[in-house]
Amino acid sequence: SQQGEEDPQALSIQEGENATMNCSYKTSINNLQWYRQNSGRGLVHLILIRSNEREKHSGRLRVTLDTSKKSSSLLITASRAADTASYFCATDNTDKLIFGTGTRLQVFP
Amino acid sequence: GAGVSQSPSNKVTEKGKDVELRCDPISGHTALYWYRQSLGQGLEFLIYFQGNSAPDKSGLPSDRFSAERTGGSVSTLTIQRTQQEDSAVYLCASSGVGGALMKKLFFGSGTQLSVL
Repeated sequence: SQQGEEDPQALSIQEGENATMNCSYKTSINNLQWYRQNSGRGLVHLILIRSNEREKHSGRLRVTLDTSKKSSSLLITASRAADTASYFCATDNTDKLIFGTGTRLQVFP
Repeated sequence: GAGVSQSPSNKVTEKGKDVELRCDPISGHTALYWYRQSLGQGLEFLIYFQGNSAPDKSGLPSDRFSAERTGGSVSTLTIQRTQQEDSAVYLCASSGVGGALMKKLFFGSGTQLSVL
């Protein structure tokens, strides 16, 4: 069974707008990661946030983590058409990463 | 190699046939993971290797699925007597450190398996 659930399932925005995706998970974690997937193939790691961190930035990405609510959000600022992809959160479960269901982001030029 | 390599990239087979999917992890990565992704779905964990041993096989869907890893490097996922529901993208990932210390995963491009 999957640990994480993302919402929305799909998101369509215009270039320049911000995109926010949310992830909820079920059990305690050591860290939470976000990945990006283009065209249904290999995933690329974007950012990792530890359980004792509340917010982390990387370029146009901002991730927040609320362990009391077991939730995280990924914000992409000033989106570009090239950001079009599926985004997954992943939580560590003992010895493996469990992935959420993903958010499909479409950025229109 | 520079990245995780999977072969074949596409495999079409007939129901009932056996298939072998191969994964070459990043050189020196001790941990190797197999995931499966059905169309439009999230990733389903299959199995995890630390070195040549598989501490966690909990995700293998049935006894038709098996995997091995040799020399702490290449891994092969074998599906026997394939069924149509096995059709999916099979993704391999590796990590420099496994288990509870595992950080980010590096993914291959996957094998698209189609069972007719």
